[in-house]
Amino acid sequence: KAGVTQTPRYLIKTRGQQVTLSCSPISGHRSVSWYQQTPGQGLQFLFEYFSETQRNKGNFPGRFSGRQFSNSRSEMNVSTLELGDSALYLCASSLVGDGTDTQYFGPGTRLTVL
Amino acid sequence: AQSVTQLGSHVSVSEGALVLLRCNYSSSVPPYLFWYVQYPNQGLQLLLKYTTGATLVKGINGFEAEFKKSETSFHLTKPSAHMSDAAEYFCAVSVAWGDKIIFGKGTRLHILP
Repeated sequence: KAGVTQTPRYLIKTRGQQVTLSCSPISGHRSVSWYQQTPGQGLQFLFEYFSETQRNKGNFPGRFSGRQFSNSRSEMNVSTLELGDSALYLCASSLVGDGTDTQYFGPGTRLTVL
Repeated sequence: AQSVTQLGSHVSVSEGALVLLRCNYSSSVPPYLFWYVQYPNQGLQLLLKYTTGATLVKGINGFEAEFKKSETSFHLTKPSAHMSDAAEYFCAVSVAWGDKIIFGKGTRLHILP
């Protein structure tokens, strides 16, 4: 079974631009979560989608948004990029997003904002 | 709200020595607890998890962790370190169906030859 895939793997943008990251979950998984990982803040939860609905949201500004499609694939969008948005963005999928559910992580998209 | 504290952002052990990575959690309800490992330039991989039942949980690669409610701890151990164990380890907690998982800051494990 194929794992979680994220595209692109690396991205360089400039301040003020917007970016869209994509995540394809493991087949059959309906929950997709997004995390931001930085050396200073560690892993921070962005949001979680289940059956095309945002079910949980972390403490990030409205510039960060996401969506999930009917095939469970998810996209994350960041508008008006800031230098501080440079990070590794990780996507994780699980069957139903139950608290006991195992999350499977993708390799991440490394975003650099210049 | 739940939280996780990992003691020591860097831990060094000699090859063959005991590995002990510390994790304490805060939760007002019985938690679900996880340990993940991250190798360089990769995503996270689940090592083990505690949901209910036996408090000593065995995971992959010879790791295990014990849930101690009285100490609010979930420390990760491995009897004998191997060079391939060098990575960053994350403890995480969640409390309910559909709830988000909160991660600790991580502990980078260095293995000395």
